[in-house]
Amino acid sequence: GQNIDQPTEMTATEGAIVQINCTYQTSGFNGLFWYQQHAGEAPTFLSYNVLDGLEEKGRFSSFLSRSKGYSYLLLKELQMKDSASYLCAVLDSNYQLIWGAGTKLIIKP
Amino acid sequence: ETGVTQTPRHLVMGMTNKKSLKCEQHLGHNAMYWYKQSAKKPLELMFVYNFKEQTENNSVPSRFSPECPNSSHLFLHLHTLQPEDSALYLCASSQDHEGASGANVLTFGAGSRLTVL
Repeated sequence: GQNIDQPTEMTATEGAIVQINCTYQTSGFNGLFWYQQHAGEAPTFLSYNVLDGLEEKGRFSSFLSRSKGYSYLLLKELQMKDSASYLCAVLDSNYQLIWGAGTKLIIKP
Repeated sequence: ETGVTQTPRHLVMGMTNKKSLKCEQHLGHNAMYWYKQSAKKPLELMFVYNFKEQTENNSVPSRFSPECPNSSHLFLHLHTLQPEDSALYLCASSQDHEGASGANVLTFGAGSRLTVL
């Protein structure tokens, strides 16, 4: 079967760096997405990786290793507003999105 | 108004009621989706419409009935629901349903929180 694994919850300190991991086993691969979802709000698109390597967007970076079935989202200079759930999703060979259960990130002052 | 708008934001209904969830997108997208989000579970795709045609129905019980009158509007009609149907129902849209890269970026609405008593 197809599976996406990510930690259920993580805690980090304001100003620090946190890495949220995502491992996947899917039928084929057409890209990996990260979405951010604040409590009670819509998920919003953060990043898309289809080639190996690191993509940087300001304080957020996303990394992909297709051979390892692995991605991570790196958040730098954490702010209180980064407290949210982070959803990892893989587009499989049939262009179906396979979702992880999300990682709830708690930022402490 | 821009983006994807869902109404109502909160809904409480009994198991014998009939209600509808509404979704509207102002992005000119061709594909629209209904997802179910339950606590600590992955998003569950329920229905997909591409150019107003239903392309997927992921074994969703018949008590959920979608309707897509045009490419900007999507409804989810609810009847005789069960308590386990209580969840957040998210509507999303994308430029197209198939194809990689930017075409598959989803724009979500804030969801309709449904409680079935």
